[in-house]
Amino acid sequence: AQSVAQPEDQVNVAEGNPLTVKCTYSVSGNPYLFWYVQYPNRGLQFLLKYITGDNLVKGSYGFEAEFNKSQTSFHLKKPSALVSDSALYFCAVRDRFSGGYNKLIFGAGTRLAVHP
Amino acid sequence: SAVISQKPSRDICQRGTSLTIQCQVDSQVTMMFWYRQQPGQSLTLIATANQGSEATYESGFVIDKFPISRPNLTFSTLTVSNMSPEDSSIYLCSSSSGDQLRTDTQYFGPGTRLTVL
Repeated sequence: AQSVAQPEDQVNVAEGNPLTVKCTYSVSGNPYLFWYVQYPNRGLQFLLKYITGDNLVKGSYGFEAEFNKSQTSFHLKKPSALVSDSALYFCAVRDRFSGGYNKLIFGAGTRLAVHP
Repeated sequence: SAVISQKPSRDICQRGTSLTIQCQVDSQVTMMFWYRQQPGQSLTLIATANQGSEATYESGFVIDKFPISRPNLTFSTLTVSNMSPEDSSIYLCSSSSGDQLRTDTQYFGPGTRLTVL
């Protein structure tokens, strides 16, 4: 079955330190992968996606993610965390059986807390 | 990227009543999606709405409970019918349009926070 796993419910980071939010996927074939962020009382905001090409994808707000096919991972990273990065982060993969459109399967989410 | 608005932003409803949530996109889009996010949970797709056709519902969701309209390329509604406290969730709509629907990014509205008493 297709799935996305975010193994950490919460990640705590000190401001200025690098951060990593982990994501692994289980889908056959070439995956289409996405990261979204949800701030309190807000909808989801798109950060970045991997479709094909360079394994390192750069996105909004200084975030980047590295696609690793052998480890089936797509970890989200940022070199220097800000307190304002504190939010709920979702990894998602395209359902390969969604036909002609982009139906997404979401992970459970990881809450990132950046401490001053 | 599409800008999406939803109305209402939140509501408190009595059990047994129905609520219709509106989703407006600032540009024409091909696909619109409705999700439910239960407290502390991830997103679950309710249905996909394509203009001019019946919505396609995911397993566990039925049209009688969650009727959807998609009258044009910029607007959709989701009705939560005969509500119970278990329907208390955030309901989000999203849209997808572009030349490559299979790889296109979904953009989300701000959500509607529903509490059923």
